[in-house]
Formats: sequence, structure tokens, C-alpha cells
Amino acid sequence: DVKVTQSSRYLVKRTGEKVFLECVQDMDHENMFWYRQDPGLGLRLIYFSYDVKMKEKGDIPEGYSVSREKKERFSLILESASTNQTSMYLCASSPVLAGQYFGPGTRLTVT
Amino acid sequence: QKEVEQNSGPLSVPEGAIASLNCTYSDRGSQSFFWYRQYSGKSPELIMFIYSNGDKEDGRFTAQLNKASQYVSLLIRDSQPSDSATYLCAVRGGSEKLVFGKGTKLTVNP
Repeated sequence: DVKVTQSSRYLVKRTGEKVFLECVQDMDHENMFWYRQDPGLGLRLIYFSYDVKMKEKGDIPEGYSVSREKKERFSLILESASTNQTSMYLCASSPVLAGQYFGPGTRLTVT
Repeated sequence: QKEVEQNSGPLSVPEGAIASLNCTYSDRGSQSFFWYRQYSGKSPELIMFIYSNGDKEDGRFTAQLNKASQYVSLLIRDSQPSDSATYLCAVRGGSEKLVFGKGTKLTVNP
């Protein structure tokens, strides 16, 4: 079974804090993705990575950065958290040209 | 702008009936099509994928693809209350990215 894990299920941070969300996959997948999901807006792609140290912006990269130093790990960084970044954050991984497998999600609240 | 459209629902069916979920997409170059199930408060789970025109069956689920009409559907036979969830359609074109619809909420009534 594919397993994608995320470092926290729930996280509460203050405005202006730097926030790190970690994602690990155990299936040697080439691709990893970060999404946020908000009611009425659906899934929106923030960044994805198709190889170690490679990244590409998604639809809403502003205010976020990513890091992929090892194939199995993909980190999302909120440089200075703001209240409009309160959301459900979902990490996914996939082999080349295949479906994506999601982690359990991190519900982030920024106060 | 590549788009994937789904009826948001809610779609309500009685237990034992066939639930039909539909999806249209704008990019004629799309190559792969996926259905995800998402229970409330949980993350999406991949349940079906289809690459070629026609039908693909897996247990009670059947995915149908018509590339000429740019239409993909998911049929759930003998619907159960445990099938109540939001179903997301996703489409892949020439890159690794998926374009997701906003989902159809299905309720199966006992």
C-alpha cells in the first residue's frame, strides 16, 4: 500500500510565524505535490516537484516555498503566516504519468 | 485555462440504486482520468482511473470515458450508505499535474 504521511494533523500558528509542513512518502515516487483545499474553491495546487531539488510553481505559489532535498520528503514553508493561509493542506505523491496518492492532511489555523 | 466541471450536487439516491456521477473537461489533449472519493474531514482517495475510451469496471464501480464528447463518468452500482462522500474527477493532460473538479456530493439514503 502507498503511504504518504504528514507531520501534523492539526496546527495552530500566529500571524507572522514561519511554518514548516512536512510530507514523507514510502513508495519511491518521482512526483510530489502540495495542495490546499478550501470550501467552495476545491483543491488548488501550490507547488509540485518532479525530482529531488526540482520544483515548479502551481496555481497559487504566493506566500509559500518548498524544499525537496531527498526523494521521499517534500516540505512546504509558509515564510510569514497570514490568516488567509488558514486551510487544509494536502500532500500527494505519484509515479510518473499516474494517479496521485494523498496524505491525511494538515489543518492549519493562523490566528 | 484547463477546466474540469462537475455538478456540485448534492446527489441523493436510495440504498441499492445506481449512482451516476458526471464530469466534463475542456482540454482535448487530456490523456488520463481519475476518480477520487473524499469522506468528510478526510483526504481524497484514488478509487478508479481510465485511459481509453469505453468502460472500465472494478467491483461495484464503473468508469466510462468518451473522449470525443470530453466526458467521463462514474457509476456506482448497489449504492450503500458507506458510499456517501464527495467524488472528485481529475484529468491529466501532457504534464504530471492533475486538474481537479470541485466534486459532487453523494448521499445514499438507507
